[in-house]
Amino acid sequence: AQSVAQPEDQVNVAEGNPLTVKCTYSVSGNPYLFWYVQYPNRGLQFLLKYITGDNLVKGSYGFEAEFNKSQTSFHLKKPSALVSDSALYFCAVRDMKGIGGIFGKGTRLHILP
Amino acid sequence: GAVVSQHPSWVICKSGTSVKIECRSLDFQATTMFWYRQFPKQSLMLMATSNEGSKATYEQGVEKDKFLINHASLTLSTLTVTSAHPEDSSFYICSRDRESYNEQFFGPGTRLTVL
Repeated sequence: AQSVAQPEDQVNVAEGNPLTVKCTYSVSGNPYLFWYVQYPNRGLQFLLKYITGDNLVKGSYGFEAEFNKSQTSFHLKKPSALVSDSALYFCAVRDMKGIGGIFGKGTRLHILP
Repeated sequence: GAVVSQHPSWVICKSGTSVKIECRSLDFQATTMFWYRQFPKQSLMLMATSNEGSKATYEQGVEKDKFLINHASLTLSTLTVTSAHPEDSSFYICSRDRESYNEQFFGPGTRLTVL
């Protein structure tokens, strides 16, 4: 069975510092991995994905994520955090059939000014 | 701009009544749409896959008679919560795939409160 784990409920980072939001997954076969962001009173927005190819994927708003097959991880990173990055972040995995998606429980990111 | 809309954005109803939530794909005909449920401080749980012109596919543990899904056109899927009870109170979100890609576009969600 597929699963996604986000071990941190909340991450606090000072503005300008690098940030990391952790995600590990369990899936049979090759994973399709995603990061989404949910701002207050707005729908989830796609940030980036890993399907195949380069392990480091770049996405919207300066975010990037590194696919690590040996550690079954897909951590979200940004070199320099902005206050506007404060939001709820979800990691998700999808099977090759493209059926829906399994989401992690979410990590609330607080960027402190 | 938004490519998936939901209506209503919030609804309050009495226990025992039924509530219909609409999900529209605004810019693309979607043969498949997805319905999720999000509990406070918890993740999204996939409830069902809505298929245009055929029956929805429900995830294990989701009562199909409780959560009726109709996908009557390529741009509209509806979720009806029948005989709603307070435990059905939640945030319901729909989505569709981005054409030819794997990521999803999500609607803004509908907050259901059952008194």
